[in-house]
Amino acid sequence: DVKVTQSSRYLVKRTGEKVFLECVQDMDHENMFWYRQDPGLGLRLIYFSYDVKMKEKGDIPEGYSVSREKKERFSLILESASTNQTSMYLCASSSQGQGAQETQYFGPGTRLLVL
Amino acid sequence: AQKVTQAQTEISVVEKEDVTLDCVYETRDTTYYLFWYKQPPSGELVFLIRRNSFDEQNEISGRYSWNFQKSTSSFNFTITASQVVDSAVYFCALRTRNTGNQFYFGTGTSLTVIP
Repeated sequence: DVKVTQSSRYLVKRTGEKVFLECVQDMDHENMFWYRQDPGLGLRLIYFSYDVKMKEKGDIPEGYSVSREKKERFSLILESASTNQTSMYLCASSSQGQGAQETQYFGPGTRLLVL
Repeated sequence: AQKVTQAQTEISVVEKEDVTLDCVYETRDTTYYLFWYKQPPSGELVFLIRRNSFDEQNEISGRYSWNFQKSTSSFNFTITASQVVDSAVYFCALRTRNTGNQFYFGTGTSLTVIP
């Protein structure tokens, strides 16, 4: 079974703090993704990575950065957290395999509250 | 442009009723893949099914069935004899061969099954 884990299920941070969200997958997947989920907006892609040290901006990268130093780990960084970054953050991974038909597998999510 | 529309924001049904969740997609690509995910209250998105654009055969898996119709650009999901455990948010997603790694998600339908 594919396993995607996220470092925290719940986080509470203060405005201006630097926040690290960690994601690890154990299936040797090339692709990893960070989404945020907000009511009425569905899932929006923040960043994705298709290889170590490679990253691509998604639909809403502003205020975020990412790091992928190892294949299994993809970190999302909020350089200076703001209240509008309060959200559910979901990590996903997929194989490069057969391209577009490859399924994304998701972690349990991190609920971040910025005060 | 790619787009997925789930017009039903919230649905409530009484246990054992059948329920259909609608998904309408837009793409100009001829090769694409459609997905359904379930997100229970625990938060993790669980993969349910993937269909490719060349296979319009409907699929049944236990109480779940999917109706893919290219003529109406729809990929609807029916749960037969609903159960309380089916209560969740359901997402439809689209990925095309020409959009690389990016998934396009609908905004989700929240299903509540009342005992």
